[in-house]
Amino acid sequence: GQQLNQSPQSMFIQEGEDVSMNCTSSSIFNTWLWYKQDPGEGPVLLIALYKAGELTSNGRLTAQFGITRKDSFLNISASIPSDVGIYFCAGLATSGTYKYIFGTGTRLKVLA
Amino acid sequence: KAGVTQTPRYLIKTRGQQVTLSCSPISGHRSVSWYQQTPGQGLQFLFEYFSETQRNKGNFPGRFSGRQFSNSRSEMNVSTLELGDSALYLCASSVLGHPTDTQYFGPGTRLTVL
Repeated sequence: GQQLNQSPQSMFIQEGEDVSMNCTSSSIFNTWLWYKQDPGEGPVLLIALYKAGELTSNGRLTAQFGITRKDSFLNISASIPSDVGIYFCAGLATSGTYKYIFGTGTRLKVLA
Repeated sequence: KAGVTQTPRYLIKTRGQQVTLSCSPISGHRSVSWYQQTPGQGLQFLFEYFSETQRNKGNFPGRFSGRQFSNSRSEMNVSTLELGDSALYLCASSVLGHPTDTQYFGPGTRLTVL
Protein backbone atom coordinates (compact mmCIF):
# COMPACT_ATOMS: atom_id res chain seq x y z
CA GLY A 1 0.00 0.00 0.00
CA GLN A 2 0.95 3.62 -0.38
CA GLN A 3 2.90 5.20 2.47
CA LEU A 4 4.56 8.49 3.17
CA ASN A 5 8.30 8.57 3.88
CA GLN A 6 8.89 9.64 7.42
CA SER A 7 12.27 10.29 9.02
CA PRO A 8 13.97 9.52 11.20
CA GLN A 9 12.57 6.04 11.82
CA SER A 10 13.52 6.23 15.48
CA MET A 11 15.37 8.55 17.79
CA PHE A 12 16.69 8.58 21.32
CA ILE A 13 16.97 11.97 22.93
CA GLN A 14 17.68 13.42 26.33
CA GLU A 15 14.89 15.02 28.30
CA GLY A 16 14.81 18.74 27.57
CA GLU A 17 16.11 18.45 24.02
CA ASP A 18 14.21 19.60 20.98
CA VAL A 19 13.03 17.06 18.40
CA SER A 20 12.45 17.39 14.68
CA MET A 21 10.89 14.90 12.30
CA ASN A 22 9.60 15.18 8.77
CA CYS A 23 7.40 13.53 6.25
CA THR A 24 7.75 13.59 2.47
CA SER A 25 5.62 12.43 -0.41
CA SER A 26 5.79 12.21 -4.16
CA SER A 27 2.17 13.35 -4.26
CA ILE A 28 0.56 16.64 -3.36
CA PHE A 29 -1.72 16.70 -0.35
CA ASN A 30 -4.26 19.31 0.66
CA THR A 31 -4.22 18.39 4.32
CA TRP A 32 -1.42 17.19 6.58
CA LEU A 33 -2.02 15.68 10.00
CA TRP A 34 0.28 14.61 12.80
CA TYR A 35 -0.71 11.86 15.23
CA LYS A 36 0.90 10.26 18.29
CA GLN A 37 0.30 6.64 19.21
CA ASP A 38 1.01 5.22 22.64
CA PRO A 39 1.44 1.47 23.19
CA GLY A 40 -1.90 -0.35 23.17
CA GLU A 41 -3.80 2.71 22.01
CA GLY A 42 -5.02 4.20 18.79
CA PRO A 43 -3.41 7.31 17.27
CA VAL A 44 -4.38 10.66 18.76
CA LEU A 45 -4.45 13.78 16.59
CA LEU A 46 -1.85 16.38 17.58
CA ILE A 47 -1.97 18.99 14.83
CA ALA A 48 -3.89 19.48 11.59
CA LEU A 49 -2.62 21.65 8.71
CA TYR A 50 -4.87 22.79 5.87
CA LYS A 51 -2.88 25.37 3.94
CA ALA A 52 0.50 25.33 2.18
CA GLY A 53 3.05 27.24 4.23
CA GLU A 54 0.88 27.10 7.35
CA LEU A 55 2.70 26.91 10.67
CA THR A 56 0.61 25.69 13.60
CA SER A 57 1.49 25.19 17.26
CA ASN A 58 -0.08 23.09 19.97
CA GLY A 59 1.77 23.67 23.21
CA ARG A 60 5.33 22.45 22.77
CA LEU A 61 4.51 21.05 19.33
CA THR A 62 4.87 22.98 16.10
CA ALA A 63 4.10 21.65 12.65
CA GLN A 64 4.45 23.13 9.20
CA PHE A 65 2.75 22.40 5.90
CA GLY A 66 5.48 22.53 3.23
CA ILE A 67 5.18 25.07 0.44
CA THR A 68 5.35 22.37 -2.22
CA ARG A 69 2.49 20.55 -0.43
CA LYS A 70 4.61 17.40 -0.62
CA ASP A 71 6.10 17.58 2.85
CA SER A 72 5.47 18.46 6.46
CA PHE A 73 7.57 18.91 9.59
CA LEU A 74 6.88 18.39 13.28
CA ASN A 75 9.00 19.89 16.03
CA ILE A 76 8.75 19.14 19.74
CA SER A 77 10.48 21.56 22.06
CA ALA A 78 11.88 20.75 25.50
CA SER A 79 10.96 17.05 25.35
CA ILE A 80 9.65 15.30 28.43
CA PRO A 81 9.38 11.55 29.22
CA SER A 82 5.68 11.40 28.29
CA ASP A 83 6.55 12.43 24.72
CA VAL A 84 7.70 8.85 24.16
CA GLY A 85 5.65 7.07 21.53
CA ILE A 86 5.27 6.72 17.78
CA TYR A 87 4.53 9.82 15.74
CA PHE A 88 2.72 9.47 12.43
CA CYS A 89 2.12 11.95 9.70
CA ALA A 90 -0.86 11.57 7.42
CA GLY A 91 -1.75 13.22 4.17
CA LEU A 92 -5.23 13.52 2.82
CA ALA A 93 -5.56 12.69 -0.85
CA THR A 94 -8.68 14.29 -2.23
CA SER A 95 -8.44 13.19 -5.84
CA GLY A 96 -11.71 11.40 -6.41
CA THR A 97 -12.35 10.22 -2.87
CA TYR A 98 -11.01 11.17 0.53
CA LYS A 99 -8.32 8.76 1.74
CA TYR A 100 -5.74 9.29 4.42
CA ILE A 101 -2.23 8.05 3.60
CA PHE A 102 -0.10 7.50 6.67
CA GLY A 103 3.63 7.80 7.17
CA THR A 104 5.84 4.97 8.33
CA GLY A 105 6.17 6.49 11.81
CA THR A 106 8.94 7.91 13.97
CA ARG A 107 9.55 6.09 17.24
CA LEU A 108 10.65 8.55 19.90
CA LYS A 109 12.35 7.55 23.12
CA VAL A 110 13.19 10.13 25.75
CA LEU A 111 15.96 9.44 28.23
CA ALA A 112 15.39 11.06 31.60
CA LYS B 1 -18.37 11.93 26.10
CA ALA B 2 -17.30 8.32 25.62
CA GLY B 3 -14.60 7.66 23.04
CA VAL B 4 -14.52 5.18 20.19
CA THR B 5 -14.84 1.64 21.48
CA GLN B 6 -13.76 -1.54 19.73
CA THR B 7 -14.54 -5.11 20.61
CA PRO B 8 -12.96 -7.48 21.13
CA ARG B 9 -9.56 -6.04 22.04
CA TYR B 10 -7.72 -9.27 21.28
CA LEU B 11 -8.58 -12.18 19.03
CA ILE B 12 -6.79 -15.35 18.00
CA LYS B 13 -7.99 -17.26 14.95
CA THR B 14 -6.63 -19.93 12.66
CA ARG B 15 -6.14 -19.79 8.91
CA GLY B 16 -9.31 -20.24 6.92
CA GLN B 17 -11.62 -18.98 9.64
CA GLN B 18 -13.54 -15.75 9.47
CA VAL B 19 -13.75 -12.95 11.99
CA THR B 20 -16.03 -10.03 12.78
CA LEU B 21 -14.81 -6.92 14.56
CA SER B 22 -17.03 -4.25 16.04
CA CYS B 23 -16.67 -0.50 16.39
CA SER B 24 -18.91 1.92 18.25
CA PRO B 25 -18.23 5.52 17.23
CA ILE B 26 -18.46 8.59 19.41
CA SER B 27 -22.07 9.61 19.91
CA GLY B 28 -23.14 11.91 17.07
CA HIS B 29 -20.43 10.75 14.70
CA ARG B 30 -21.74 9.33 11.45
CA SER B 31 -18.52 8.47 9.64
CA VAL B 32 -16.55 5.37 10.56
CA SER B 33 -13.27 4.39 8.92
CA TRP B 34 -11.29 1.19 9.32
CA TYR B 35 -7.52 0.81 9.13
CA GLN B 36 -5.10 -2.10 9.26
CA GLN B 37 -1.83 -1.48 11.10
CA THR B 38 1.15 -3.82 10.69
CA PRO B 39 4.85 -3.29 11.41
CA GLY B 40 5.76 -3.71 7.77
CA GLN B 41 2.99 -1.78 6.03
CA GLY B 42 2.08 0.76 8.69
CA LEU B 43 -1.45 2.15 8.75
CA GLN B 44 -3.43 1.23 5.66
CA PHE B 45 -6.93 2.53 4.92
CA LEU B 46 -9.52 -0.23 4.50
CA PHE B 47 -12.85 1.56 4.01
CA GLU B 48 -15.12 4.28 5.27
CA TYR B 49 -18.83 4.14 6.00
CA PHE B 50 -21.26 7.02 6.26
CA SER B 51 -24.99 6.70 6.79
CA GLU B 52 -24.86 2.92 6.33
CA THR B 53 -23.14 3.23 2.93
CA GLN B 54 -19.55 2.48 2.01
CA ARG B 55 -18.26 5.79 0.75
CA ASN B 56 -14.54 5.09 0.27
CA LYS B 57 -12.49 1.95 -0.14
CA GLY B 58 -8.80 1.14 0.07
CA ASN B 59 -6.86 -1.47 -1.87
CA PHE B 60 -7.73 -4.62 0.02
CA PRO B 61 -9.11 -7.89 -1.36
CA GLY B 62 -12.79 -8.69 -1.25
CA ARG B 63 -12.23 -10.91 1.81
CA PHE B 64 -12.36 -7.67 3.78
CA SER B 65 -15.85 -6.28 4.07
CA GLY B 66 -17.80 -4.08 6.40
CA ARG B 67 -21.13 -2.60 7.17
CA GLN B 68 -22.64 0.18 9.19
CA PHE B 69 -25.87 0.12 11.11
CA SER B 70 -28.47 2.84 11.54
CA ASN B 71 -26.96 3.79 14.91
CA SER B 72 -23.59 4.35 13.16
CA ARG B 73 -22.00 1.31 14.78
CA SER B 74 -19.85 -0.55 12.30
CA GLU B 75 -18.59 -4.07 11.85
CA MET B 76 -15.71 -5.34 9.80
CA ASN B 77 -15.52 -8.90 8.54
CA VAL B 78 -12.53 -10.81 7.23
CA SER B 79 -13.23 -14.16 5.62
CA THR B 80 -10.83 -17.01 4.88
CA LEU B 81 -8.16 -15.63 7.18
CA GLU B 82 -4.52 -15.72 6.11
CA LEU B 83 -1.41 -15.44 8.26
CA GLY B 84 -0.75 -12.01 6.78
CA ASP B 85 -4.03 -10.71 8.18
CA SER B 86 -2.46 -10.62 11.63
CA ALA B 87 -2.55 -6.95 12.55
CA LEU B 88 -4.00 -4.25 14.73
CA TYR B 89 -7.33 -3.18 13.26
CA LEU B 90 -8.26 0.37 14.12
CA CYS B 91 -11.48 2.18 13.57
CA ALA B 92 -11.87 5.94 13.64
CA SER B 93 -14.98 8.06 13.75
CA SER B 94 -15.70 11.63 12.80
CA VAL B 95 -18.81 13.76 12.58
CA LEU B 96 -19.27 13.77 8.82
CA GLY B 97 -16.00 12.42 7.42
CA HIS B 98 -15.09 15.78 5.88
CA PRO B 99 -11.39 16.68 5.46
CA THR B 100 -11.62 19.24 8.26
CA ASP B 101 -13.32 16.82 10.66
CA THR B 102 -11.08 15.37 13.33
CA GLN B 103 -10.87 11.59 13.25
CA TYR B 104 -10.88 9.93 16.65
CA PHE B 105 -9.34 6.48 16.81
CA GLY B 106 -10.35 3.58 18.99
CA PRO B 107 -7.80 1.42 20.83
CA GLY B 108 -7.93 -1.24 18.15
CA THR B 109 -8.48 -4.98 17.95
CA ARG B 110 -5.30 -7.04 17.87
CA LEU B 111 -5.94 -10.02 15.55
CA THR B 112 -3.52 -12.93 15.50
CA VAL B 113 -3.93 -15.59 12.83
CA LEU B 114 -2.20 -18.91 13.52
